[in-house]
Amino acid sequence: EAEVAQSPRYKITEKSQAVAFWCDPISGHATLYWYRQILGQGPELLVQFQDESVVDDSQLPKDRFSAERLKGVDSTLKIQPAELGDSAMYLCASSGTGQDSYEQYFGPGTRLTVT
Amino acid sequence: GEDVEQSLFLSVREGDSSVINCTYTDSSSTYLYWYKQEPGAGLQLLTYIFSNMDMKQDQRLTVLLNKKDKHLSLRIADTQTGDSAIYFCRAGRRALTFGSGTRLQVQP
Repeated sequence: EAEVAQSPRYKITEKSQAVAFWCDPISGHATLYWYRQILGQGPELLVQFQDESVVDDSQLPKDRFSAERLKGVDSTLKIQPAELGDSAMYLCASSGTGQDSYEQYFGPGTRLTVT
Repeated sequence: GEDVEQSLFLSVREGDSSVINCTYTDSSSTYLYWYKQEPGAGLQLLTYIFSNMDMKQDQRLTVLLNKKDKHLSLRIADTQTGDSAIYFCRAGRRALTFGSGTRLQVQP
């Protein structure tokens, strides 16, 4: 069964350092999402891509966060510099086209701890 | 802004039915969703309902939608210990807003 892949699964970094997360969506899925999930809360959308283009990054803290999906397949989310408040689970999801565009399939997430 | 709210915690006995509730403010989404999240894992899509339906049944899961009251519920029949997890509803504009999750605890 096709799955969304994410790496690393866990990351510990010191504040002010740079950190990057990688996501490989389900093959053929044009839409890719990055979410942040703080412990005890629901996921919050950071950025949405349609192919290689950003559709929505209104909630992305652009002073320190960046996201790219250069070839419209896999994607990288970067934080520089990391702050203590960035400790969270970072989830990637993908969805297909047409009626399937509404169903989002999630990866296992990357748990980030900033010390 | 958009708001999706859920109760924080629900405890049931194994074999009983569980009902998890969700209310939302933005009714523009075409579909509304329920996800399950187990500890340390990503979100698993459980079921969804089209916004012009009022009920959908899928094996042990029943979704009820009251559009007038902007209320969505998930009923799990014959709840098992393996159903213990956090359940999230997803609604809002373009269905991109998640509730804060309901932790379901199933007691043997």
